[in-house]
Amino acid sequence: KNEVEQSPQNLTAQEGEFITINCSYSVGISALHWLQQHPGGGIVSLFMLSSGKKKHGRLIATINIQEKHSSLHITASHPRDSAVYICAVRGSGGSNYKLTFGKGTLLTVNP
Amino acid sequence: NAGVTQTPKFQVLKTGQSMTLQCAQDMNHNSMYWYRQDPGMGLRLIYYSASEGTTDKGEVPNGYNVSRLNKREFSLRLESAAPSQTSVYFCASSGQANTGELFFGEGSRLTVL
Repeated sequence: KNEVEQSPQNLTAQEGEFITINCSYSVGISALHWLQQHPGGGIVSLFMLSSGKKKHGRLIATINIQEKHSSLHITASHPRDSAVYICAVRGSGGSNYKLTFGKGTLLTVNP
Repeated sequence: NAGVTQTPKFQVLKTGQSMTLQCAQDMNHNSMYWYRQDPGMGLRLIYYSASEGTTDKGEVPNGYNVSRLNKREFSLRLESAAPSQTSVYFCASSGQANTGELFFGEGSRLTVL
């Protein structure tokens, strides 16, 4: 069973700060997802990665397959970035239907 | 383009009552999933359907049944609700045989008294 650990669990930042959220997993994967969930809201997919780095606006996601680690960066953070960020990993081979989710990182960005 | 639509958004049941959560997607995706989200825990897979006509159990299937009515629709049924099934339920879909991006519904908050 893949174990997914996110850090930190909670993060408070001031508007404009650079944010990093980390995700580590224990077993080889076929892909890693970063998801965003606003309080009381639905879940939105931010990135799906299998290698390297992706960028979308102020968000950057990286993955190091050898180290089994991914990071989500937010540049010039804004109060509207306040949300729970969830890392999820997809199994490989016959387990590729299965996603294992981290418990999430609660980000609060103060104005 | 609606994406993934779940109904109802909120429901309160008494122990022993039954209900069905409906989910539909308009992206022509093969794979659909039902998850539950509980405080302090990650999302957990209840059932999934890799394609029309197939369904398989996930991590926490007990107390639930599913039906993949057609390619668009995947419903989750609670035959005899229990307080332990109080949770927020999310339906999701992905394309490309389980390797694609995930799309989630807005969630259904269920309370069982």
